[in-house]
Amino acid sequence: SQQGEEDPQALSIQEGENATMNCSYKTSINNLQWYRQNSGRGLVHLILIRSNEREKHSGRLRVTLDTSKKSSSLLITASRAADTASYFCATAGPNNDMRFGAGTRLTVKP
Amino acid sequence: EAGVAQSPRYKIIEKRQSVAFWCNPISGHATLYWYQQILGQGPKLLIQFQNNGVVDDSQLPKDRFSAERLKGVDSTLKIQPAKLEDSAVYLCASSLASGNQPQHFGDGTRLSIL
Repeated sequence: SQQGEEDPQALSIQEGENATMNCSYKTSINNLQWYRQNSGRGLVHLILIRSNEREKHSGRLRVTLDTSKKSSSLLITASRAADTASYFCATAGPNNDMRFGAGTRLTVKP
Repeated sequence: EAGVAQSPRYKIIEKRQSVAFWCNPISGHATLYWYQQILGQGPKLLIQFQNNGVVDDSQLPKDRFSAERLKGVDSTLKIQPAKLEDSAVYLCASSLASGNQPQHFGDGTRLSIL
């Protein structure tokens, strides 16, 4: 069964705007990871945040994790047309079993 | 470094036929994953290997799906016999180890069942 659930399912913004995607999960985790997938390609790892971390940054990406609410968010700042893709959160459970959500489809209009 | 290699890229078969997919992970990666991704959905873990041992196969339909990882390197995933609902992209991923390690994905095999 899927662990994470992303929200929204789809998001359309203009270039230069910020994009925020949310992920909720149900059980305890070791870490939470965000991936990007372009059409017809495999997934590309973006950020891994451990259960004892609250926030991580990588370039234009910012990820937060709230284990009390069992939720995470991915913020992409100053979006570009090349950021158009599907974004997935994945949770690693206590046994490092991986579960992905259904994803958020982001469209950035030039 | 070379990425995760998968073949074939595309496969079309009729229902009840058999099919096999091959994956070569990144050199030195101990953990290998097979996922099924149905159109419009997120990847669903089918099986996870640590070296040549199975860590998690709780979501693998064992009556028709099988996988092996000989010598802890390459892996094959087989479906026999295929059903219409098996139409999906089959993704292979690898990581240095399980737990707190990013996964590196191949581009997948797109399977169509007629």
